[in-house]
Amino acid sequence: GQNIDQPTEMTATEGAIVQINCTYQTSGFNGLFWYQQHAGEAPTFLSYNVLDGLEEKGRFSSFLSRSKGYSYLLLKELQMKDSASYLCAAMDSNYQLIWGAGTKLIIKP
Amino acid sequence: ETGVTQTPRHLVMGMTNKKSLKCEQHLGHNAMYWYKQSAKKPLELMFVYNFKEQTENNSVPSRFSPECPNSSHLFLHLHTLQPEDSALYLCASSQEIGGGSYEQYFGPGTRLTVT
Repeated sequence: GQNIDQPTEMTATEGAIVQINCTYQTSGFNGLFWYQQHAGEAPTFLSYNVLDGLEEKGRFSSFLSRSKGYSYLLLKELQMKDSASYLCAAMDSNYQLIWGAGTKLIIKP
Repeated sequence: ETGVTQTPRHLVMGMTNKKSLKCEQHLGHNAMYWYKQSAKKPLELMFVYNFKEQTENNSVPSRFSPECPNSSHLFLHLHTLQPEDSALYLCASSQEIGGGSYEQYFGPGTRLTVT
């Protein structure tokens, strides 16, 4: 079957670094997406990886290892506004997104 | 503001009611999606339309009926719902169906409560 696993909740301190992990199993693979969703709001696109390696975009970076079925989202210099849920989604061979349940990130001062 | 709007934002309906959710995208996209989001569960893909044609129906009960009159508008018609259908219903659009160049843009959702 198809499955995405990510931690339910994480806590970090303002100004610190946090890494949110995601493992996936899909029928075929066409890339790995990360979305951010603030409470009561729409998910918004953060990153896309289809090749192995690290993609950096400002304070956020995303990593992919296709051989391990593994990705992580790295958030640096955490700000209070980064408190949100982070959704991992893998695209299968039919170009459908298979979603994780999301990781709720709590930032403490 | 993502360019995808949904109405109503909140809806309370009885199990015998009929209601419709509306989604409109102002991005010139060709693919539109309905998702169901329940607390602490993954997003569930319900329906996909590509160039107004339905391409996916992920075993959704017939009490949910989609309609896509054009590439900019998507409706979800609801009738005889069950309390377990209470959830956040999200609409999304993408330029086309495909990989990373076609990330999905989401609307704010309709919070549905079935009593």
